Amino acid sequence: DQQVKQNSPSLSVQEGRISILNCDYTNSMFDYFLWYKKYPAEGPTFLISISSIKDKNEDGRFTVFLNKSAKHLSLHIVPSQPGDSAVYFCAVRGGSNYKLTFGKGTLLTVNP
Amino acid sequence: DVKVTQSSRYLVKRTGEKVFLECVQDMDHENMFWYRQDPGLGLRLIYFSYDVKMKEKGDIPEGYSVSREKKERFSLILESASTNQTSMYLCASIPWDSMGRQPQHFGDGTRLSIL
Repeated sequence: DQQVKQNSPSLSVQEGRISILNCDYTNSMFDYFLWYKKYPAEGPTFLISISSIKDKNEDGRFTVFLNKSAKHLSLHIVPSQPGDSAVYFCAVRGGSNYKLTFGKGTLLTVNP
Repeated sequence: DVKVTQSSRYLVKRTGEKVFLECVQDMDHENMFWYRQDPGLGLRLIYFSYDVKMKEKGDIPEGYSVSREKKERFSLILESASTNQTSMYLCASIPWDSMGRQPQHFGDGTRLSIL
């Protein structure tokens, strides 16, 4: 059973507009949440994270929101740029073993 | 910057061969991981290691083994390669951190094709 779900396989957005990527999780014991970005033929690169004691974290154009009651995580990119076109994975961690569980990813395409 | 290096970007092997994928990190990280990425399935954890000679199974360990003889190097072994092991393989590392707030750092991946 999937513990982390990214229900949108793809998302297309115009340059300059907001991109919103969503992620749902099932286990309330997860305590650390991350977003990774992946270009083809490269490894994932860390983008932004949030711990369970917060509900928002910002870093430049990227903001992550955490709704613990809904077990929902979202990534907002404002303004979106063509270079943001990539696959975005959300990942969650619970417990002390550093293991991450990843969603299946969302392909974001930002059109010029 | 953390550097995680995977020895091959592309590899082609034959069914039944024993295949070694190598990963080296240069930041003295205690924890290392092997994932595979497949279209529509995301990243799935194969094995991980907390320290030299320590290993734990991830979510899909069948058909794989690992070796961690030195802290900086974590090897993934396909004992007898099969076509369903054709995939992108990703190595990651992370330091020990009492708060557990460090992200994993990934290598660029090895695209493995089993014919």
